[in-house]
Amino acid sequence: GNSVTQMEGPVTLSEEAFLTINCTYTATGYPSLFWYVQYPGEGLQLLLKATKADDKGSNKGFEATYRKETTSFHLEKGSVQVSDSAVYFCALISGYSSASKIIFGSGTRLSIRP
Amino acid sequence: NAGVTQTPKFRVLKTGQSMTLLCAQDMNHEYMYWYRQDPGMGLRLIHYSVGEGTTAKGEVPDGYNVSRLKKQNFLLGLESAAPSQTSVYFCASRLAGYNEQFFGPGTRLTVL
Repeated sequence: GNSVTQMEGPVTLSEEAFLTINCTYTATGYPSLFWYVQYPGEGLQLLLKATKADDKGSNKGFEATYRKETTSFHLEKGSVQVSDSAVYFCALISGYSSASKIIFGSGTRLSIRP
Repeated sequence: NAGVTQTPKFRVLKTGQSMTLLCAQDMNHEYMYWYRQDPGMGLRLIHYSVGEGTTAKGEVPDGYNVSRLKKQNFLLGLESAAPSQTSVYFCASRLAGYNEQFFGPGTRLTVL
């Protein structure tokens, strides 16, 4: 079945450091890939997505590239801020039908020190 | 446009008590979902609905029931709460033909 594996946290960085959170997936066909972010006490918000191989999703300085050859969708940001402290979830969904269900990774907690 | 809303935000139950969590969305989405979030386990799908009057089991349905009497509402019921149901519950909705899900703010449930 489909699955998502992301690096375990917590990840602690200093402000302005470079961020990478690894995500790899297993899926049949050509899934769409997502990064969701959960700020403290809130629900999940879509951060970025990519729907086909070699697509790059980007938002708020974050980027991730859909790499089919390595089945990866790593999240990167060049210079993190304290406000980026949150839990990040990698996810995939195969198809658009009613039966298509989103599969989440276990989440990576990111803490940024001032 | 309120998006997806959930009530209540917090609840404490004793073992064996029952309760209903309400999810409402004003985006006219066809599909709605209930998830639970536990530490280190990401989100797991409890039940989902692809339209008014229809529901289906997800990954972890035991101990929960759902109803979708109106398109905009999706109710999650616990008939006899157990400590293992202590969790944060999230509702989400999706428009047919699109794959982005929109999430509510969550309900934190503690069962003593």
